[in-house]
Amino acid sequence: AQSVAQPEDQVNVAEGNPLTVKCTYSVSGNPYLFWYVQYPNRGLQFLLKYITGDNLVKGSYGFEAEFNKSQTSFHLKKPSALVSDSALYFCAVRDRRGSQGNLIFGKGTKLSVKP
Amino acid sequence: DGGITQSPKYLFRKEGQNVTLSCEQNLNHDAMYWYRQDPGQGLRLIYYSQIVNDFQKGDIAEGYSVSREKKESFPLTVTSAQKNPTAFYLCASTQGGLGTGELFFGEGSRLTVL
Repeated sequence: AQSVAQPEDQVNVAEGNPLTVKCTYSVSGNPYLFWYVQYPNRGLQFLLKYITGDNLVKGSYGFEAEFNKSQTSFHLKKPSALVSDSALYFCAVRDRRGSQGNLIFGKGTKLSVKP
Repeated sequence: DGGITQSPKYLFRKEGQNVTLSCEQNLNHDAMYWYRQDPGQGLRLIYYSQIVNDFQKGDIAEGYSVSREKKESFPLTVTSAQKNPTAFYLCASTQGGLGTGELFFGEGSRLTVL
């Protein structure tokens, strides 16, 4: 069965410091991987995705993520955090062999960036 | 501007009443989805539709119903059979195909049962 784990419910960082939000996955085949961000009482916004090719993916707002097949991870990173990055972050995975409906989301990680 | 519009944003319902949440998209996307979000549980798939006049149950379809009579519209009805309907509901869409496309989300509808 497919699954996504975000092991940290909350991540706290100081503004200007690097941030990492962790994601590991389990799928039977090769995955498509996604990161989304959600601000309070809003819908989710797409940040970036890994489909194929370069393991380092760059996305919106200075975020990037690295696909690591051996560790089945897709951690979200940013070199220098901003207070405005504070939000809820979701990792999601889709098995390449699955139907369009099978996008599995993690439970989310709340990122708090303090000035 | 292209996007997904959900309405109403907030909705209050008495126990035993059915309610319908609207979702309209002008992105010309083939596939549409309904998710339920509860605190600490992430997003759970209720129903999805890949083409007009066709839809499939997701992981938590019991107590919900949908229709897809038009490409741009995918309304969700929360029926009285849904035991715990208070939640944040999100509609999304994506272009059909190989599954590489990201989802575009609406702003959500928050349903509270009194």
